[in-house]
Amino acid sequence: SQKIEQNSEALNIQEGKTATLTCNYTNYSPAYLQWYRQDPGRGPVFLLLIRENEKEKRKERLKVTFDTTLKQSLFHITASQPADSATYLCALETTDSWGKLQFGAGTQVVVTP
Amino acid sequence: NAGVTQTPKFQVLKTGQSMTLQCAQDMNHEYMSWYRQDPGMGLRLIHYSVGAGITDQGEVPNGYNVSRSTTEDFPLRLLSAAPSQTSVYFCASSYSPNGEKLFFGSGTQLSVL
Repeated sequence: SQKIEQNSEALNIQEGKTATLTCNYTNYSPAYLQWYRQDPGRGPVFLLLIRENEKEKRKERLKVTFDTTLKQSLFHITASQPADSATYLCALETTDSWGKLQFGAGTQVVVTP
Repeated sequence: NAGVTQTPKFQVLKTGQSMTLQCAQDMNHEYMSWYRQDPGMGLRLIHYSVGAGITDQGEVPNGYNVSRSTTEDFPLRLLSAAPSQTSVYFCASSYSPNGEKLFFGSGTQLSVL
């Protein structure tokens, strides 16, 4: 069966350090992988999209890598700040399921001063 | 621009009651979708639409109906509410169904007693 796995344990990190989140998937051949941020009581907000033929994408302090051999994406927040505290969701879309973005359960990040 | 607007924000129903969750977007997006989010689980796709008059089922469609008579609106109908439908519901939209970021509404928290 298809699975998207994100670490269910919260990631506690000190301000200024780099937070690294993992998204592993099985039985998918994703065309795109996306990362979203979700704050309590709010809808997810899009952060980054990476295509299957791209290895890395950056946006300000955020970096995403995509390894289709390992079936894994890593999401990095560099120089983390307390305002980065939130839950981060990864989502996959495959070429045979357009319109059906599949989400992981998310990883909570807590940045302490 | 308001983006994606969902109403109501909170709703309590009794088992067997029916209701409609409203979703409207003002970005002229062709693609709209409904997800439910339960604790410890990823967002799960209920129904989606790639344009006015076109709808399709997602991962968990049972107990829900949708229609898309206009580009802007995509209501979700609960036919006969059950306690298993207690969840947070999110509506989302994007320019197209593949490879595009989703814009989410703020969610509807539904409790079925």
